[in-house]
Amino acid sequence: QQQVRQSPQSLTVWEGETAILNCSYEDSTFDYFPWYHQFPGESPALLIAIRPVSNKKEDGRFTIFFNKREKKFSLHIADSQPGDSATYFCAAMQQGTGSKLSFGKGAKLTVSP
Amino acid sequence: EAAVTQSPRSKVAVTGGKVTLSCHQTNNHDYMYWYRQDTGHGLRLIHYSYVADSTEKGDIPDGYKASRPSQENFSLILELASLSQTAVYFCASSEGTGSNERLFFGHGTKLSVL
Repeated sequence: QQQVRQSPQSLTVWEGETAILNCSYEDSTFDYFPWYHQFPGESPALLIAIRPVSNKKEDGRFTIFFNKREKKFSLHIADSQPGDSATYFCAAMQQGTGSKLSFGKGAKLTVSP
Repeated sequence: EAAVTQSPRSKVAVTGGKVTLSCHQTNNHDYMYWYRQDTGHGLRLIHYSYVADSTEKGDIPDGYKASRPSQENFSLILELASLSQTAVYFCASSEGTGSNERLFFGHGTKLSVL
């Protein structure tokens, strides 16, 4: 059972464009939503995360938009660079439940120069 | 200095054989995890542990066992390896405080079962 769904599975954008990666979830008790990125041949690493006390979290060119009513959240990568090319995983969990993160299937982002 | 180290980095195993993947962390974290990564499936949790000498089943535990003999060490055991267990396996650790939780991953073990 996939608790976190990601779309699209792959995305190609031109350098300078904004890449948008989407996720949705089912469990209304989830209250922590991180994004991890993984470069080829490397391990996943935390990129940015949000808690639903706010509907937006920014960190440089990376922004999470969160919609609690629709159970959706998205990652926007502004001014995309070729170095952003990686696989991005969204995840969700209910804090205080033993830190069991549920990951989406991942989205491969390619930024063309 | 890598805080989560896995061994081996890659392994070729025969069907029906026993495979043990090892993980060691120096983060002083209570929680440790084993995930497998397959193309099209993302990261799926196999087993996890929040204290030494205790393990918990994740989302896909069938065919795997886990062992946490100490806070620092967490092993994944495939008693009878099968072709379907060919994948990349990641170990991770976290504080487990439940607040803004962050997983630190090892570099992964590429397992090929032939």
